[in-house]
Amino acid sequence: AQSVTQLDSHVSVSEGTPVLLRCNYSSSYSPSLFWYVQHPNKGLQLLLKYTSAATLVKGINGFEAEFKKSETSFHLTKPSAHMSDAAEYFCVVSENWYNNNDMRFGAGTRLTVKP
Amino acid sequence: NAGVTQTPKFRILKIGQSMTLQCTQDMNHNYMYWYRQDPGMGLKLIYYSVGAGITDKGEVPNGYNVSRSTTEDFPLRLELAAPSQTSVYFCASKAGLGTDTQYFGPGTRLTVL
Repeated sequence: AQSVTQLDSHVSVSEGTPVLLRCNYSSSYSPSLFWYVQHPNKGLQLLLKYTSAATLVKGINGFEAEFKKSETSFHLTKPSAHMSDAAEYFCVVSENWYNNNDMRFGAGTRLTVKP
Repeated sequence: NAGVTQTPKFRILKIGQSMTLQCTQDMNHNYMYWYRQDPGMGLKLIYYSVGAGITDKGEVPNGYNVSRSTTEDFPLRLELAAPSQTSVYFCASKAGLGTDTQYFGPGTRLTVL
């Protein structure tokens, strides 16, 4: 079965500096991978997704992620952090997104942005 | 479109009480899901439905029940609340088979004392 590991439970950056949130996955097949963001007291919002097209995926709010099969990674990056990026970020893997219920969530990474 | 809405936003229950968490979507999505989120953990699937009248268990179904009488609504029932059910509950939906993106509601924060 597929699984996902977010390597950092908490990341702290200064405003204007780059953001790197790390995600490794395990899958027997060619998975689909997602990053969701959760702002305080809000639901989850899709940032970006990889579904076997281009390996570099661009999402909303300047975020992007690169699918690296050899490293089984799907790290999320942003060149310059903004205060509004402070939130919880979840990496999600799915082997059978065309199926019913196959999404597996990472434990989340809390991003803090310092002024 | 309101998307996925959930009520209530917050609730405190006593052990043994029952309640229903409401979830409604106005996107005409066939698939709906209930997740729970515990502190420091990712979301875990409780139940899901692929259409009206069809439900199935997820990873952590014990202590919960669901029904799906309409496309729009997918209520989650807790019959005998226990402290282990203290969590944040999220409802989500997606269009159907062959689509990948789930849309989430804002969540219900439940505390059982």
